[in-house]
Amino acid sequence: DVKVTQSSRYLVKRTGEKVFLECVQDMDHENMFWYRQDPGLGLRLIYFSYDVKMKEKGDIPEGYSVSREKKERFSLILESASTNQTSMYLCASSPSGKAFFGQGTRLTVV
Amino acid sequence: GDSVTQMEGPVTLSEEAFLTINCTYTATGYPSLFWYVQYPGEGLQLLLKATKADDKGSNKGFEATYRKETTSFHLEKGSVQVSDSAVYFCALIGNNDMRFGAGTRLTVKP
Repeated sequence: DVKVTQSSRYLVKRTGEKVFLECVQDMDHENMFWYRQDPGLGLRLIYFSYDVKMKEKGDIPEGYSVSREKKERFSLILESASTNQTSMYLCASSPSGKAFFGQGTRLTVV
Repeated sequence: GDSVTQMEGPVTLSEEAFLTINCTYTATGYPSLFWYVQYPGEGLQLLLKATKADDKGSNKGFEATYRKETTSFHLEKGSVQVSDSAVYFCALIGNNDMRFGAGTRLTVKP
């Protein structure tokens, strides 16, 4: 079975902190995605990557950056966390034609 | 850019009622289309998919047909059960990125 693992299920951070959300997949997939999920807004694409060291902005990249140094790992970085970044963050990977999701990280910024 | 629009919820039905959740998309090229389901407290799971025009995806009694002429991928089920209560997301993959609709919450009452 494909496994997409996010490093934390729950995270509480203070405003202004630098936050790293890690995602690892074990199936050699090219494409990886970061979304945030908010009530009534569905899943909004933050960044995606289709290869090592490649990244593309999604619909809401402001306040975020990403890193993909190895194929299996895609990190989401909040350079200076703000309360409006409190959300559920979902990572997904895809070979093509189907996406596999991690369990999500619920981040609260206080 | 590519986008997905799905019917707003919440939707409340009685057990054994007929379900339709509308989904339309905008995309360049020929995207693959998906329905994902999120049960309470769980991550997203692929429900069904269709990769080309006129394909019908089906799973667990749910069906959706890829209609290129109307750019739609409506989800249907003939007789819903209480266990179908969940949030349903329409999605597309095109040009390496994956976009989701806002989600439709379905509640089925006994």
